[in-house]
Amino acid sequence: AQTVTQSQPEMSVQEAETVTLSCTYDTSENNYYLFWYKQPPSRQMILVIRQEAYKQQNATENRFSVNFQKAAKSFSLKISDSQLGDTAMYFCAFMKLQGGSEKLVFGKGTKLTVNP
Amino acid sequence: EAQVTQNPRYLITVTGKKLTVTCSQNMNHEYMSWYRQDPGLGLRQIYYSMNVEVTDKGDVPEGYKVSRKEKRNFPLILESPSPNQTSLYFCASSPGQGDFWTEAFFGQGTRLTVV
Repeated sequence: AQTVTQSQPEMSVQEAETVTLSCTYDTSENNYYLFWYKQPPSRQMILVIRQEAYKQQNATENRFSVNFQKAAKSFSLKISDSQLGDTAMYFCAFMKLQGGSEKLVFGKGTKLTVNP
Repeated sequence: EAQVTQNPRYLITVTGKKLTVTCSQNMNHEYMSWYRQDPGLGLRQIYYSMNVEVTDKGDVPEGYKVSRKEKRNFPLILESPSPNQTSLYFCASSPGQGDFWTEAFFGQGTRLTVV
């Protein structure tokens, strides 16, 4: 079974600075997706960024980028130029590509606070 | 607008009183699932459905039922709710497997309290 570990329950950062959220996972699969989801106080689950395991290039979406280390099974999220609206719970998630079950396996989350 | 709609958003009920949380998607997605979110545990899958009339258990199915009679709807049924089912529930849908998969679309969440 796959597991996802987020070792930082809470983090804080000053506005405009950069912060990195950690995520490690355990799997024997070779083909899979990795995701970061953001959950603001509104509770809505918002996809921030995704990475296909077969792609060596790290995914980026504007101020958000990942450092994907497949051999180390590590998938960290870097937020540059942090904004107050980035304050949220962030979940790392894994999904294997085949097998019939498109189950997302989530980490326990990291609560990020951006301070003015 | 593409969306997953859950109802109700908030629900307080008493132990043992049957309830249904509805979920509907307008994207013609094949795959739908239910998750529960608890503090310190993240989101865990309850049940999923790969298509109409095809459902299967996720990681925490005890105390829940689902049905998939139509492609767009995937209700979650608690026949005899208990306080340990107090949680935040999410419905999610996605287009299908493999190359067709883009992302999971989540509903707004249902905050359920069982007293």
